[in-house]
Amino acid sequence: GAGVSQTPSNKVTEKGKYVELRCDPISGHTALYWYRQSLGQGPEFLIYFQGTGAADDSGLPNDRFFAVRPEGSVSTLKIQRTERGDSAVYLCASSLLASGPHETQYFGPGTRLLVL
Amino acid sequence: DQQVKQNSPSLSVQEGRISILNCDYTNSMFDYFLWYKKYPAEGPTFLISISSIKDKNEDGRFTVFLNKSAKHLSLHIVPSQPGDSAVYFCAASDNTGKLIFGQGTTLQVKP
Repeated sequence: GAGVSQTPSNKVTEKGKYVELRCDPISGHTALYWYRQSLGQGPEFLIYFQGTGAADDSGLPNDRFFAVRPEGSVSTLKIQRTERGDSAVYLCASSLLASGPHETQYFGPGTRLLVL
Repeated sequence: DQQVKQNSPSLSVQEGRISILNCDYTNSMFDYFLWYKKYPAEGPTFLISISSIKDKNEDGRFTVFLNKSAKHLSLHIVPSQPGDSAVYFCAASDNTGKLIFGQGTTLQVKP
């Protein structure tokens, strides 16, 4: 079946602008995760949803970042007043359940965000 | 504070030989460990995992070893193939579900 998809694949914006990044999880997966990967680093946790609610948003760097998942499927990561330091690859992952760490997370290809 | 560390940024091995990728962690609350492989312009792909109640898990050419007392795990690939060339990430989790990743090791398998 279809894997996790993310749109757009690339996004170039100017400092101070607002951006939205979209994630379509694998059908039937109730848990959805956002990570951010900077150059030369591993992915860094941002937020995860179980169903429609954000179960853990402890990785969001500041209040310019927030994410929604209104119907428990598609999620949107929103970044306000973008800064050059926000440039990174934003990865989305989903898993069947979020009942614990033993559910494998399946990643999308990521959105490459460049803030000029 | 890097809770999961991969101290070797790169590794080069000859086709057919063994590749050994290492990973260290500091948080004793981690009880589940995973390895992901990543090709350029793609997302990480799950390879193999191990629970803290085990010290070894094997899947085909891939074996993960866990040494809890040393807080160390390793991924063995044997025999290595050119298609294994990629960036390998070690990840760890406690009971929260979120993954903490290492910095990655770039493996090059030479024909």
